[in-house]
Amino acid sequence: QLQLQESGPGLVKPSETLSLTCSVSGDSISHSRHYYTWIRQPPGKGLEWIGNVFDGGYTSYNPSLKSRLTISIDTSENQFSLKLTSVTAADTAVYYCARTAEWEVAEFRSWGRGTLVTVPS
Amino acid sequence: NFVLTQPPSVSESPGKTVTISCTRSSGTIASKYVQWYQFRPGSPPTTVIYEDNHRPSGVPDRFSGSIDSSANSASLTISGLKTEDEADYFCQSFGSSVVFGGGTRLTVL
Repeated sequence: QLQLQESGPGLVKPSETLSLTCSVSGDSISHSRHYYTWIRQPPGKGLEWIGNVFDGGYTSYNPSLKSRLTISIDTSENQFSLKLTSVTAADTAVYYCARTAEWEVAEFRSWGRGTLVTVPS
Repeated sequence: NFVLTQPPSVSESPGKTVTISCTRSSGTIASKYVQWYQFRPGSPPTTVIYEDNHRPSGVPDRFSGSIDSSANSASLTISGLKTEDEADYFCQSFGSSVVFGGGTRLTVL
């Protein structure tokens, strides 16, 4: 059974870089037909699509975050990662990793439990 | 990009039926598939409806999705409500980018 698990620091200082990893088990991330995606939810707010990575390292980013964002894939570790630079309190959120349906960029079929990242103001 | 508008909250009694709407602000609701996700505390989010009206395996047939082109909206209907259905529900579609609705908190009381 496919499982996704987010990991990373729960507290990041302002202006520093937020780094998260999503470990995938139950299926190989290599040569996959799925988009591996990051989504976040600020406290008390709605969901925001951050971006995704596809096999071969092809990425697509939310334009509002693009200048600060890097999403990468590590097939040897069967995981993918997010780096968000120059964080502020506005980046405080629960961060989810997700996998889409095959070949579908915008149908999220499997999700991680999410991890709360706090950036103090 | 367009906006998907959901009611902030709905409530209904166990055993009853509830419908959550998701209205698209511009463009045609039928032009891109709509998905629905369930967020329950302590559990990973789950997909309850994909591609407008399809249920993933394991999702009870009490959950159904539909599209109303005249209202430019999608709906999630849950029948035979159970207390375990109490959760936040988000609709989602795609325009120039991924678009999520604001979410609806379902209370079953």
